[in-house]
Amino acid sequence: QKEVEQDPGPLSVPEGAIVSLNCTYSNSAFQYFMWYRQYSRKGPELLMYTYSSGNKEDGRFTAQVDKSSKYISLFIRDSQPSDSATYLCAMRGIQGAQKLVFGQGTRLTINP
Amino acid sequence: KAGVTQTPRYLIKTRGQQVTLSCSPISGHRSVSWYQQTPGQGLQFLFEYFSETQRNKGNFPGRFSGRQFSNSRSEMNVSTLELGDSALYLCASSSSGAQVTAFFGQGTRLTVV
Repeated sequence: QKEVEQDPGPLSVPEGAIVSLNCTYSNSAFQYFMWYRQYSRKGPELLMYTYSSGNKEDGRFTAQVDKSSKYISLFIRDSQPSDSATYLCAMRGIQGAQKLVFGQGTRLTINP
Repeated sequence: KAGVTQTPRYLIKTRGQQVTLSCSPISGHRSVSWYQQTPGQGLQFLFEYFSETQRNKGNFPGRFSGRQFSNSRSEMNVSTLELGDSALYLCASSSSGAQVTAFFGQGTRLTVV
């Protein structure tokens, strides 16, 4: 079983819809939770990160972490065609510096 | 501020050969990490260097190695290439090990034939 599980999709929604992306994990040591966006033929781009449990909002994006359930989510409001990309969750502990553990990534398409 | 630069962008090698990939981190960043991305396994951590020292290592065979220079630039080397080494190799930099945010380069696409 992988440490981080993420449904690879693909996920296709109409423009303007609310998108929900999720990951589950098994390692209780994870303390930092990140969401990256990766366009085709590009490197991952950091969208948001959260420390421990709670919510964080940045524009149309909201990240939620529920450590009791080992479950994290990313919500995209008013989705745009430009949001079409692969979304990767990533996690790390306090120790272990920059060793990120990634989910498989969810391929998202926003249809105009 | 220039981003993370990886060279070359594309590479085709033959089985059994070796290859060296290069990564220049963001100016002032001292931590460089390497990842392998494949459709089947996703993004997997290879190793991390900080101040010229390997600080973390993932579960890859010894054919995969790396180093970091005094200017923080890093190289990774893969010897005795196998078909399964075909992947996108990504480098990420951060200012220190404690910094949460890591910035990725565009990657080197390696194809082994």
